[in-house]
Amino acid sequence: EPEVTQTPSHQVTQMGQEVILRCVPISNHLYFYWYRQILGQKVEFLVSFYNNEISEKSEIFDDQFSVERPDGSNFTLKIRSTKLEDSAMYFCASSHTRLAGRTDTQYFGPGTRLTVL
Amino acid sequence: EDKVVQSPLSLVVHEGDTVTLNCSYEVTNFRSLLWYKQEKKAPTFLFMLTSSGIEKKSGRLSSILDKKELFSILNITATQTGDSAVYLCAVELITNAGKSTFGDGTTLTVKP
Repeated sequence: EPEVTQTPSHQVTQMGQEVILRCVPISNHLYFYWYRQILGQKVEFLVSFYNNEISEKSEIFDDQFSVERPDGSNFTLKIRSTKLEDSAMYFCASSHTRLAGRTDTQYFGPGTRLTVL
Repeated sequence: EDKVVQSPLSLVVHEGDTVTLNCSYEVTNFRSLLWYKQEKKAPTFLFMLTSSGIEKKSGRLSSILDKKELFSILNITATQTGDSAVYLCAVELITNAGKSTFGDGTTLTVKP
């Protein structure tokens, strides 16, 4: 069964460093998402992406964050200058379609645990 | 502000028990409500509900939505230890492409 994959599974970085989290969505999916979950807290939406541009972003997704689909398979989340409070589990998700009046299932990857020291 | 509230926050039962998890929401431009099961890591999709009164079933799990009273329930019958997980409720809006607002989750522990 096709699945969303994410690398690395765990990344440790120093405050102020740039990190890039990588995701490979399911191959025929068109919509891509990033979420984060701070330890012990709820899952939070960061951004959705379709047709090579951001569809929607939350207030968390400020200028320090960016997303890119550099080729036909990868979907990346970049944090330019990490802060301690960026430590969280970051989930990538993808879905096939978003037809009018209907939402398609989002399939989540296993997550990347980011630890900022 | 859009809000999704789940209750209870945690629940401990014994194998074989039936549980009901609740999710209420206050949002504008409701599109759908989704239930996920989160074990160690990533949420896995359970149900998507868009219409009131239509029960969705998958094995021992079922869910129903009430759009008038703005809530949904997730039922698990004959619980097993493998059902132990955090159950997440999320709501999607018509206006926000793919943006889901999640509740805090209900932590279910099923004891042998």
